[in-house]
Amino acid sequence: DQQVKQNSPSLSVQEGRISILNCDYTNSMFDYFLWYKKYPAEGPTFLISISSIKDKNEDGRFTVFLNKSAKHLSLHIVPSQPGDSAVYFCAAKWGNFGNEKLTFGTGTRLTIIP
Amino acid sequence: EAQVTQNPRYLITVTGKKLTVTCSQNMNHEYMSWYRQDPGLGLRQIYYSMNVEVTDKGDVPEGYKVSRKEKRNFPLILESPSPNQTSLYFCASSSGQGIPYDSPLHFGNGTRLTVT
Repeated sequence: DQQVKQNSPSLSVQEGRISILNCDYTNSMFDYFLWYKKYPAEGPTFLISISSIKDKNEDGRFTVFLNKSAKHLSLHIVPSQPGDSAVYFCAAKWGNFGNEKLTFGTGTRLTIIP
Repeated sequence: EAQVTQNPRYLITVTGKKLTVTCSQNMNHEYMSWYRQDPGLGLRQIYYSMNVEVTDKGDVPEGYKVSRKEKRNFPLILESPSPNQTSLYFCASSSGQGIPYDSPLHFGNGTRLTVT
């Protein structure tokens, strides 16, 4: 059972426009959410995170929004740049200290069109 | 340079032939973990280690073994590989014990394993 879902396997966006990547989750025990970015032939790298007690976190061009009532997470990239072309994974953390689990979504491939 | 190093990057083997994928980190991290990435399934945790000599099963541990004899190394062992273990494998580490809010996972560049 996939507890973290990214329903769009791919997304194409024009350079300079906004990219919106979505993530839905089912487990209400998740207390922290993260986005990772992955280029081909490389491991995922951490991008941005948000605690479940917040509804928005911003870091430069990247903003993550959390809607707990809808169990929905989104990543906004604005303006989109060619270097943003990658696979994006959302992940959710739960569990107590020392027994934490990180569950990943299936990923969305973002292509920025110059 | 701070990094997680996996070897080999690519490996083709036959069913039943034991293999080890090595993982080493130079960041003095306590926490290390192995994931596999499969199409349509995302990243799934195989095993993790909170500290030296402490390991525990993740979501898909069947067919795998790990050891953590020293802090920097966390090898993944497939005693008798089968074709359903064909996958892309990632090792990851994190400072502190567990997955601290301010220290997310650092991943290696992956090992693509094919079992025929």
